[in-house]
Amino acid sequence: KAGVTQTPRYLIKTRGQQVTLSCSPISGHRSVSWYQQTPGQGLQFLFEYFSETQRNKGNFPGRFSGRQFSNSRSEMNVSTLELGDSALYLCASRPLAGTTDTQYFGPGTRLTVL
Amino acid sequence: GENVEQHPSTLSVQEGDSAVIKCTYSDSASNYFPWYKQELGKGPQLIIDIRSNVGEKKDQRIAVTLNKTAKHFSLHITETQPEDSAVYFCAASGSSGDKLTFGTGTRLAVRP
Repeated sequence: KAGVTQTPRYLIKTRGQQVTLSCSPISGHRSVSWYQQTPGQGLQFLFEYFSETQRNKGNFPGRFSGRQFSNSRSEMNVSTLELGDSALYLCASRPLAGTTDTQYFGPGTRLTVL
Repeated sequence: GENVEQHPSTLSVQEGDSAVIKCTYSDSASNYFPWYKQELGKGPQLIIDIRSNVGEKKDQRIAVTLNKTAKHFSLHITETQPEDSAVYFCAASGSSGDKLTFGTGTRLAVRP
């Protein structure tokens, strides 16, 4: 099976712009979670989607949003970018939500905000 | 919310030696504890996990121990090899496996 894929792998934006990142889960996986990884804050949970519904949300401002499509692919959007949004954004998929099945991570999208 | 502390932040060992990484957590309701390995340019990859009804789990050279009373869990890597060099993260969550809370990571270097 193909792993979790994320596009694009690298992105450079300027402050005030918005950005959309995409995640395709492993085939058959219906739960997608997003995490932000920075040197200062480490790995932090953003949100999880299952069956096109947001199940959980981390402590991030409303500028961070996401959605999931009927084929389980997910996108996350960050509006009004700030310098502090520069990070590696990781998505992870698992077959179902609400289980301790392994979460498989993609390679991430490296976002740089100038 | 849950808070996970991880030590040490860096660890250098000689090839063939053992490496131990320790984590403590704050939420007594947490009962799922995975460990991830992250290599440069890649996403974290699960290497082993443990659930609260188990005190120890082994998989070849890797073992994890859990002490729920003390709220700490540890990763043990024996007979380390250069390819074990990476950043290791511990994490914790409730029984739903949702919202993993990660430790700050340990950069392990295995010297040939």
